[in-house]
Amino acid sequence: EPEVTQTPSHQVTQMGQEVILRCVPISNHLYFYWYRQILGQKVEFLVSFYNNEISEKSEIFDDQFSVERPDGSNFTLKIRSTKLEDSAMYFCATGARWDNEQFFGPGTRLTVL
Amino acid sequence: GESVGLHLPTLSVQEGDNSIINCAYSNSASDYFIWYKQESGKGPQFIIDIRSNMDKRQGQRVTVLLNKTVKHLSLQIAATQPGDSAVYFCAENPSLGGNKLVFGAGTILRVKS
Repeated sequence: EPEVTQTPSHQVTQMGQEVILRCVPISNHLYFYWYRQILGQKVEFLVSFYNNEISEKSEIFDDQFSVERPDGSNFTLKIRSTKLEDSAMYFCATGARWDNEQFFGPGTRLTVL
Repeated sequence: GESVGLHLPTLSVQEGDNSIINCAYSNSASDYFIWYKQESGKGPQFIIDIRSNMDKRQGQRVTVLLNKTVKHLSLQIAATQPGDSAVYFCAENPSLGGNKLVFGAGTILRVKS
């Protein structure tokens, strides 16, 4: 069964450093999302992406965040200058339609020291 | 505003019994709802979804009920098994042209053997 994959599984970085989280969507999916989950809390929406542009973003997704699909397969989330409070699990999700189920990847655990 | 909440943070059931996990939502414009299961260290796994033009939908061992009058969603798991132990999240799509998911806080389901 097709799955969303994410790399790395765990990223440790120093505060102020840039990180790039990668996602490989399910092959025929056109809608892409990033969510995050701070330890012990609920999953929070960050951004949705379709047709090579951002469809919607949350208040969390400030100027330090960016997304792109550089090669038509990988979907990336970049955090330009990480803060301690960026430590969380980051989940990529993809969907075949805008109003249908979203399939989540296993997540990347980001730890900012 | 948009919010999705859960009545019970932890539910313990005996193996073989039926489980009912409840969720309240506040956005009457929401037109799509999903239940996800999240096991420790993994991403949310799609269980079942329902649209606002339905009040019941059944899957394999699971049933989702939607009561739009009181803005309530429930997940019923028949013959609960140890492998059902996880955190369960309800999520809603608040619509209004977007397709983000707003997640509830989660309910821990513990299955006792």
